[in-house]
Amino acid sequence: AQSVAQPEDQVNVAEGNPLTVKCTYSVSGNPYLFWYVQYPNRGLQFLLKYITGDNLVKGSYGFEAEFNKSQTSFHLKKPSALVSDSALYFCAVRVWGKSSGDKLTFGTGTRLAVRP
Amino acid sequence: KAGVTQTPRYLIKTRGQQVTLSCSPISGHRSVSWYQQTPGQGLQFLFEYFSETQRNKGNFPGRFSGRQFSNSRSEMNVSTLELGDSALYLCASSLEGRGTDTQYFGPGTRLTVL
Repeated sequence: AQSVAQPEDQVNVAEGNPLTVKCTYSVSGNPYLFWYVQYPNRGLQFLLKYITGDNLVKGSYGFEAEFNKSQTSFHLKKPSALVSDSALYFCAVRVWGKSSGDKLTFGTGTRLAVRP
Repeated sequence: KAGVTQTPRYLIKTRGQQVTLSCSPISGHRSVSWYQQTPGQGLQFLFEYFSETQRNKGNFPGRFSGRQFSNSRSEMNVSTLELGDSALYLCASSLEGRGTDTQYFGPGTRLTVL
């Protein structure tokens, strides 16, 4: 069975500093990995995904993520945090089969707080 | 393109009632998935529909059901509501529901069971 772990409930960072939100995964086969962000009272907003190829994936709003197969990690990063980045971030792994269908398994979420 | 829309946005029901939530996917998307989000359990997969067929189902009781119409719109139904069903229900759509497709989420329906 697939699983995703986000070891930090909350990450605090000062505006302008780099940020990292950690994610590790467990899945049989090749992983399809995703990051989503959720603002209060909103749905999930897609940030980026890793399917194959380059281990560094660039996404929306200046975010990027680094896929590390040996460490089974997919950490989300941003070189310079903004106060407006404060939100709840979810890492997810995709399990898909032609006959078994589609399913995203999510981590527990990490709350990012960026202080001015 | 318009995004995923969900109606209604908010619902208040009492225990024992039933409820139907609606989801309209992005135009051209054929796969629709449903998720339940609660503070205690986080985001949990309910089911996925593609071409009017349920392809995948999560670990939820039979009170939770869904369907998909020929225009890819989907509904989910919860019968005999319990207090624990209070949650944000999220719908997501993708092109074909393949591993490489991105799931795009709607704003959710906030269900409160009293």
